[in-house]
Amino acid sequence: DGGITQSPKYLFRKEGQNVTLSCEQNLNHDAMYWYRQDPGQGLRLIYYSQIVNDFQKGDIAEGYSVSREKKESFPLTVTSAQKNPTAFYLCASRYYPGGGNQPQHFGDGTRLSIL
Amino acid sequence: QKEVEQNSGPLSVPEGAIASLNCTYSDRGSQSFFWYRQYSGKSPELIMFIYSNGDKEDGRFTAQLNKASQYVSLLIRDSQPSDSATYLCAVSNAGNNRKLIWGLGTSLAVNP
Repeated sequence: DGGITQSPKYLFRKEGQNVTLSCEQNLNHDAMYWYRQDPGQGLRLIYYSQIVNDFQKGDIAEGYSVSREKKESFPLTVTSAQKNPTAFYLCASRYYPGGGNQPQHFGDGTRLSIL
Repeated sequence: QKEVEQNSGPLSVPEGAIASLNCTYSDRGSQSFFWYRQYSGKSPELIMFIYSNGDKEDGRFTAQLNKASQYVSLLIRDSQPSDSATYLCAVSNAGNNRKLIWGLGTSLAVNP
């Protein structure tokens, strides 16, 4: 079945530690996105990538890093510089034929908490 | 600052009624409009998208777009308790990157 797989479902970070959230899709989508969702707040864009080996900062990129070495994969690293990492992290992807308006589809999310 | 606004709710309707969810946006150049449903603790799932003025129907759901008034709505007919969720409105900007601008969502409760 085609879809977007995020792992792990739950993740705990110790102070000073970097952690990496995985996002893999087998939908042959071009663009991939990382969002953060906090209670009572909307989705905030962290990073996005429209093609392999290229990515752009979103609205809240500080303390995060990404890579896009393969079309299928867009991992997010939450670094120790991110002082308030506790949130629900959502990965999304979409088909992007020449910049069209196709919708984004989401994985099941990863909940990150501080130990 | 480009914005998408939704009434946070909660919107409470009886089972079988029509639920009407509204969304306004500030960027007059917006081109694409999306409705997502998010159950508590889960990720958003796409319900509908609309690009042109007018109505678009899919089963019990109807999206309505009025670009002149910068307004998009979602109607849910014959509301069921399983429709109880937060409904997120998202609008795509007119730039090349097509990033989504998200509303904060409207909480819908369908009462049996």
